[in-house]
Amino acid sequence: NAGVMQNPRHLVRRRGQEARLRCSPMKGHSHVYWYRQLPEEGLKFMVYLQKENIIDESGMPKERFSAEFPKEGPSILRIQQVVRGDSAAYFCASSRSWGAETQYFGPGTRLLVL
Amino acid sequence: DQQVKQNSPSLSVQEGRISILNCDYTNSMFDYFLWYKKYPAEGPTFLISISSIKDKNEDGRFTVFLNKSAKHLSLHIVPSQPGDSAVYFCAASTGETSGSRLTFGEGTQLTVNP
Repeated sequence: NAGVMQNPRHLVRRRGQEARLRCSPMKGHSHVYWYRQLPEEGLKFMVYLQKENIIDESGMPKERFSAEFPKEGPSILRIQQVVRGDSAAYFCASSRSWGAETQYFGPGTRLLVL
Repeated sequence: DQQVKQNSPSLSVQEGRISILNCDYTNSMFDYFLWYKKYPAEGPTFLISISSIKDKNEDGRFTVFLNKSAKHLSLHIVPSQPGDSAVYFCAASTGETSGSRLTFGEGTQLTVNP
């Protein structure tokens, strides 16, 4: 029973490039959440998606960041024109339903912007 | 506005003794609370949760206590083991449709000494 999968585990980009982070939820889970952890800080909510729908993107920066969860395939967090401040660990979590439901986390993608 | 706070960045205890990790929150709408454990370079691992209708939940060596009037919860680990050494995050949710997002504290680094 595979857990939440994220790839790549590590990603190095130069300023101005694009970063694509992928997340495959646990089997049977149709709700996906993305969180970001900056160095020395806790995890901060970014976006909550269900299949083909963005439910809550109130934690997403207004520019350069986007997320999708297509009908088929993994959820994608896309960061355009990366800057050094985007360097962080990005974690994906999934749950079976919304509400007071335990979220299970993937191992994270560590993004380093040079 | 830090709605969930873990005021102790670190805690050191002796193997076999009790570890008590504390968490305070300010948002009275939170009604579901979780504790996660995190090792370096890994994603958070779910430990235990509690609904606001309860004041205690126990699972093996882990017990979570909730004091709603004080907006305070704590995680007790007894007996503590060296393998428990990790960063512990407290998280909270409103449990509503748009509130499935988890709000995390900053984390407490627990070190259990042999």
